[in-house]
Amino acid sequence: GAVVSQHPSWVICKSGTSVKIECRSLDFQATTMFWYRQFPKQSLMLMATSNEGSKATYEQGVEKDKFLINHASLTLSTLTVTSAHPEDSSFYICSAHVGATYEQYFGPGTRLTVT
Amino acid sequence: GENVEQHPSTLSVQEGDSAVIKCTYSDSASNYFPWYKQELGKGPQLIIDIRSNVGEKKDQRIAVTLNKTAKHFSLHITETQPEDSAVYFCAPKNTGRRALTFGSGTRLQVQP
Repeated sequence: GAVVSQHPSWVICKSGTSVKIECRSLDFQATTMFWYRQFPKQSLMLMATSNEGSKATYEQGVEKDKFLINHASLTLSTLTVTSAHPEDSSFYICSAHVGATYEQYFGPGTRLTVT
Repeated sequence: GENVEQHPSTLSVQEGDSAVIKCTYSDSASNYFPWYKQELGKGPQLIIDIRSNVGEKKDQRIAVTLNKTAKHFSLHITETQPEDSAVYFCAPKNTGRRALTFGSGTRLQVQP
């Protein structure tokens, strides 16, 4: 199956700093990638849809100036959490849509802890 | 938008028994019905999916059944093993929306 990687797998940062998370499709080109957030013992909540070469589409309630998404190539999307606060601590997961098929494949996730 | 309900929220079975998880959705335009398995600290893994033109699909011990009239689909796991212990999510989708809408999840525990 298609492989999606994320880096880093975990990160700890101080309140007020910014953190960048990378999402890569390793063996396929992804015109669309998605970013989700998951709090402990909860489901995945879609944050934004990232399209290669264009601006991301954010879900209602997600601050686009706080969660900056860049999809510069067909294999890489990045999520930058700016001015992070403890309430941003969560598990961030990306997924990639495989061409014209329905399937979505997920990365292993990045655990962010803001102290 | 799509409303997705998943039941039960937790399920404990003895090794070798069967497990069934049900997902109910609201959008009649949904046409893709996947199930994901998420182990602790990992991303979700697609384990089986079905399209709206098919009523049932099986892959070894895992099967998915779809009832479009009643707007629900179910995950069936037979001969459960301890390694099946995880959280399972349904995530129906329609062609008008690229993203998946996840159910609330079912924590399956298989007792050895």
